Parts: sequence; structure tokens; C-alpha cells
Amino acid sequence: QVQLVQSGAEVKKPGASVKVSCKASGYTFTSYYMHWVRQAPGQGLEWMGIINPSGGSTSYAQKFQGRVTMTRDTSTSTVYMELSSLRSEDTAVYYCARQQQLVMGAFDIWGQGTMVTVSS
Amino acid sequence: IQLTQSPSSLSASVGDRVTITCRASQGISSYLAWYQQKPGKAPKLLIYAASTLQSGVPSRFSGSGSGTDFTLTISSLQPEDFATYYCQQLNSYLLTFGGGTKVEIK
Repeated sequence: QVQLVQSGAEVKKPGASVKVSCKASGYTFTSYYMHWVRQAPGQGLEWMGIINPSGGSTSYAQKFQGRVTMTRDTSTSTVYMELSSLRSEDTAVYYCARQQQLVMGAFDIWGQGTMVTVSS
Repeated sequence: IQLTQSPSSLSASVGDRVTITCRASQGISSYLAWYQQKPGKAPKLLIYAASTLQSGVPSRFSGSGSGTDFTLTISSLQPEDFATYYCQQLNSYLLTFGGGTKVEIK
């Protein structure tokens, strides 16, 4: 079945970097854009950026420009999100989400989420 | 583009009709989606293109609107519908979500 499986929880110190993976299965990996969304504890959803798994092009929310890098490995059908210079406010659950193959399609498949805790 | 959801929370009983609104700061045509999220779980797509029901979603959920004003309606609230609901605009490549509406048991 179509699914996205993310890597496990992480605990990082302020100033460090974290890299979260999202492995796709059950569909053609390069045919669907992938997004990253995060959710701080008790807060709403925040869009971080998009990657095109086919060519690897990316676009990031202004808030994360310079700190986030999204990459993909087509050989393993995996996308990655790396966030650097971590601070306590980056403590959140990070989700990958597949975008429908439609003009301005919505996010139809989500990963289970990866908790990232930033604490000294 | 900013999305403002109202109310931020509501209390309702099983069987009630519930309406949640989402207002965009500028016109977004019909490029709006609605999601349901339960505690500890990833969001689930309910409605896309403002009014198209995602496959497998019960028909008691419906969406309407275009331009700047949108609504999500649950025609008869069921116990499994108690959750937080988010709207999302997909009109620009810089996507945004509304602040969420928590639907609680009355």
C-alpha cells in the first residue's frame, strides 16, 4: 500500500543539526512532489518547503531559508529534511507529506511524524 | 496568504450540524483543502479543491466556497469526528495552513 515511513525520534542540543528521512513505497516516487510540515507541541501546522523528487528542485518557506535543506535519493525512494542551527523553538513533530497529482493538489499521504526535541 | 479559521474551538453534541469557516487574506480561487487531525496522529485529508471529497471520507463531510471564504460542514457529528480541523491554501507555491478549529464533545 502507499505509505511514507519516517525515521525515529531525535534529541539534539541547541546549535546542532538534525536530518529526518521519509521513505516512500507503493507508488512511483518520482511522480509526486513531497512536502515537509512541522507542528510544535500544542500548536498548529507549519509548512516548511517542497521537493520535487524527480529533479531534486526545492522551494522553502522564507522562515527556514538558509537553515533547511531538502534532498532525495531516488535509488531508495527516500526524501530527507535537514534543519541546522537548532534552537528550542524547533522542538516539534516533523511530517513529510505527498502532494496529489493535480494542479494545486492537496496532501493525500502523510508520514507518521518524527519528534525532534531540542534541549541542552 | 494568511488563513483565518473560526471558531478556534467549539463544543457540540453527537448528531449536531457543525460548520467551520476559513477566510483567506486574498483570493485563492478553489485551491483550498481541509484536514482532520486527532491527537498524536498525522493530519488526514478530507476535502480538496474546496469541495471535492477525498476517497474514503464519509459523505457527512462537505466543503464549499471560492475566492476568500470557505466552509467545512459536518452534517451530523459522530463520536469519531471529535478532532482538530485545519484548512490549507494551495494557490501560491508558499503554502499556508489556518490556525485550526478544535471540535470538542459538549
